[in-house]
Amino acid sequence: QQQVKQSPQSLIVQKGGISIINCAYENTAFDYFPWYQQFPGKGPALLIAIRPDVSEKKEGRFTISFNKSAKQFSLHIMDSQPGDSATYFCAASTYSSASKIIFGSGTRLSIRP
Amino acid sequence: DAGVTQSPTHLIKTRGQQVTLRCSPISGHKSVSWYQQVLGQGPQFIFQYYEKEERGRGNFPDRFSARQFPNYSSELNVNALLLGDSALYLCASSLQFLNTEAFFGQGTRLTVV
Repeated sequence: QQQVKQSPQSLIVQKGGISIINCAYENTAFDYFPWYQQFPGKGPALLIAIRPDVSEKKEGRFTISFNKSAKQFSLHIMDSQPGDSATYFCAASTYSSASKIIFGSGTRLSIRP
Repeated sequence: DAGVTQSPTHLIKTRGQQVTLRCSPISGHKSVSWYQQVLGQGPQFIFQYYEKEERGRGNFPDRFSARQFPNYSSELNVNALLLGDSALYLCASSLQFLNTEAFFGQGTRLTVV
């Protein structure tokens, strides 16, 4: 049973454009929503995370938008660069099972120069 | 500071064999979790260990087992290997049991032939 649904599966964006990846969750007990970036041959690296008490969090070119009522959240990458080309995973966890992270299926992002 | 280290980086085993994967967490981190990442999918939670005790288990068969040592390093064992066990096995460490920020190692690529 997939608890975190992610789309699109792949995404191609021109350099300087905005990359948008969407996720939806089912379990209302989730209270921590991280995004991970993974390069080939590497483990996932935490990019940015949000808790449901805020609707938006921004760190540099990366922004998470969170809609608690719709149970949806998204990652926006502004001014996308070729170095952003990677696979991105949205994820969710609960306070009581903090290290049991439920991952989405991933989005392979390619930034065209 | 060293991050999460995993060994070996690559491994080829024959169906029916047993394998042991090793993980050293970031210094000071007491919680270790294991994930399985099949090619093209997001990581799936296998186990969490904290203070040498199992604190969480994912939906994996009893062929999978793990343990944590007094120095907080951990081993993942898989018995009676199946072709479907071929995957990238990731170890993540976090400071405390309920700490939500998990740091991943580069993984061990297991191929079962």
